[in-house]
Amino acid sequence: AQSVTQLGSHVSVSEGALVLLRCNYSSSVPPYLFWYVQYPNQGLQLLLKYTSAATLVKGINGFEAEFKKSETSFHLTKPSAHMSDAAEYFCAVSDILYSSASKIIFGSGTRLSIRP
Amino acid sequence: GAVVSQHPSRVICKSGTSVKIECRSLDFQATTMFWYRQFPKQSLMLMATSNEGSKATYEQGVEKDKFLINHASLTLSTLTVTSAHPEDSSFYICSARDRGYNEQFFGPGTRLTVL
Repeated sequence: AQSVTQLGSHVSVSEGALVLLRCNYSSSVPPYLFWYVQYPNQGLQLLLKYTSAATLVKGINGFEAEFKKSETSFHLTKPSAHMSDAAEYFCAVSDILYSSASKIIFGSGTRLSIRP
Repeated sequence: GAVVSQHPSRVICKSGTSVKIECRSLDFQATTMFWYRQFPKQSLMLMATSNEGSKATYEQGVEKDKFLINHASLTLSTLTVTSAHPEDSSFYICSARDRGYNEQFFGPGTRLTVL
């Protein structure tokens, strides 16, 4: 069975500071990993995904994540936080991609707050 | 980009009544649709997967008779919560995947409150 663990249900950073949201995965097969963002009362938007190509993945809005197999991690970072980054962030995993059998399993989420 | 809509966005109902939530893919054909449930400050839990024209596949622990899913066309799936009770109150999110299985697109969610 696959799973992801997000460390820290709430992260608060100052505007302009580094954003680091942590995610560790567990998978018996090479995983496909995702980061989604959810703004209040809205659906999920894909930030980026790892599909076994480059280990450093760049996404939208200046976010990026690095796949580290040795650490089973896929942490999300952004060099400089902006007020508009305040939202809920979900790490997710799938064992199959581009298949009718693929399902995405989500972590518990991390709420990111930005201090002025 | 691909858009998934849900209707209604919010619904309040009395205990014992049934509620239907619609999920539509607006600009693509969705061969597969997923229904998730999200409790406050918790993750999205996959409830069921439905493929157009076939019965839904429910995750372990999800009551099939309580959460009826119908994927009648390539652009519409419905979730009916039958005989709703207060413990069914939650945020329900659907997502749809296109024919190429490339990506899941998520709807804005439906907030269900059962009194």
